[in-house]
Amino acid sequence: EADIYQTPRYLVIGTGKKITLECSQTMGHDKMYWYQQDPGMELHLIHYSYGVNSTEKGDLSSESTVSRIRTEHFPLTLESARPSHTSQYLCASSEVVDTGELFFGEGSRLTVL
Amino acid sequence: AQSVTQPDIHITVSEGASLELRCNYSYGATPYLFWYVQSPGQGLQLLLKYFSGDTLVQGIKGFEAEFKRSQSSFNLRKPSVHWSDAAEYFCAVGETSYDKVIFGPGTSLSVIP
Repeated sequence: EADIYQTPRYLVIGTGKKITLECSQTMGHDKMYWYQQDPGMELHLIHYSYGVNSTEKGDLSSESTVSRIRTEHFPLTLESARPSHTSQYLCASSEVVDTGELFFGEGSRLTVL
Repeated sequence: AQSVTQPDIHITVSEGASLELRCNYSYGATPYLFWYVQSPGQGLQLLLKYFSGDTLVQGIKGFEAEFKRSQSSFNLRKPSVHWSDAAEYFCAVGETSYDKVIFGPGTSLSVIP
């Protein structure tokens, strides 16, 4: 059973607000990822991390930022939310050397009014 | 660059009927291939994966997939669909180092009782 948690599950906020989406995993995985899932369900990698103090941008440009101060924690922050940021954000993790399986959280659905 | 295509956006099948979901990839070498399933309001769960060896792989929930190098395909099959199989299905390809996994656009499966 995967142990990766995202909060909040649902968030509705106004334009210009700062938001942080939390992601935590208890599996000790070094690699963590953030995917943005469009309303049409396609997933796009926006950030990933190899471990503590490592962050990389993914294939889809995003105005969000991430940090990795602790192995288990990989929060995503939007300094000033806009309606174009409305989406579902999925966090995932994997072991550095393993079968390549990603373990996903249940997602954070963000709506910016 | 890697890419994954899933030609069918939406498929509807009757319960008990067989199922095949198509996936094609573009990659220079033999990729690492995955099928994930996403139930409504949930994250993604790994169904099965192919790295090497036998080109027919078995997964959870009675699913199987066949890797065909000549066709650059990795189609997912199930001999008899259950109503609980209604979900979104994502094909994915990973780089050798597992640094990033690229997802296809997904196929939405509906099951008629």
